[in-house]
Amino acid sequence: QKEVEQNSGPLSVPEGAIASLNCTYSDRVSQSFFWYRQYSGKSPELIMSIYSNGDKEDGRFTAQLNKASQYVSLLIRDSQPSDSATYLCAVKSGGSYIPTFGRGTSLIVHP
Amino acid sequence: NAGVTQTPKFQVLKTGQSMTLQCAQDMNHNSMYWYRQDPGMGLRLIYYSASEGTTDKGEVPNGYNVSRLNKREFSLRLESAAPSQTSVYFCASSPGTGTDNQPQHFGDGTRLSIL
Repeated sequence: QKEVEQNSGPLSVPEGAIASLNCTYSDRVSQSFFWYRQYSGKSPELIMSIYSNGDKEDGRFTAQLNKASQYVSLLIRDSQPSDSATYLCAVKSGGSYIPTFGRGTSLIVHP
Repeated sequence: NAGVTQTPKFQVLKTGQSMTLQCAQDMNHNSMYWYRQDPGMGLRLIYYSASEGTTDKGEVPNGYNVSRLNKREFSLRLESAAPSQTSVYFCASSPGTGTDNQPQHFGDGTRLSIL
């Protein structure tokens, strides 16, 4: 049974701070890792993909992958109230049609 | 560029009624998926279609049927709706085959209430 674990939160950070969201996974042969943002009442929206160990930066977002430790994280720099949402981690193994989703971490950025 | 389009956006049914949720994508994607999302449960896969002409069960298929009508369209049918099927339903698609590393793209969802 493939598992993806996320702390449900809520994670509360002040505006301008760095928000750190973490995700661990159980399948050692996982190859593709995705972060989705989901606003309340809306659908998941892809914000980052990462496939290799290390960091990947896109604007205020940085995804970090450590396959040896089986975790992937998302850092949001200069957090804004508009970043308040639930962040879903998804992990996909090579040869699988189906990614495994975590249940998401709720992030609240307060002014 | 519409992406993944779901219809209807909202629906209220009575127990025992039937309904089909429609999904269409205009991105020439091969794989399509149906999920339901309930509070505290995350996304749960109902059915998926790896390619035109194929469908497979996901984690929670009971009470549902699907049809991959063509490459663009993947419908979800509730034959006899039950209150336990009250949920938000998302359709998703992804570009290639199962061996690729591409993410899914989601539609806006259908909010379904069964009374």
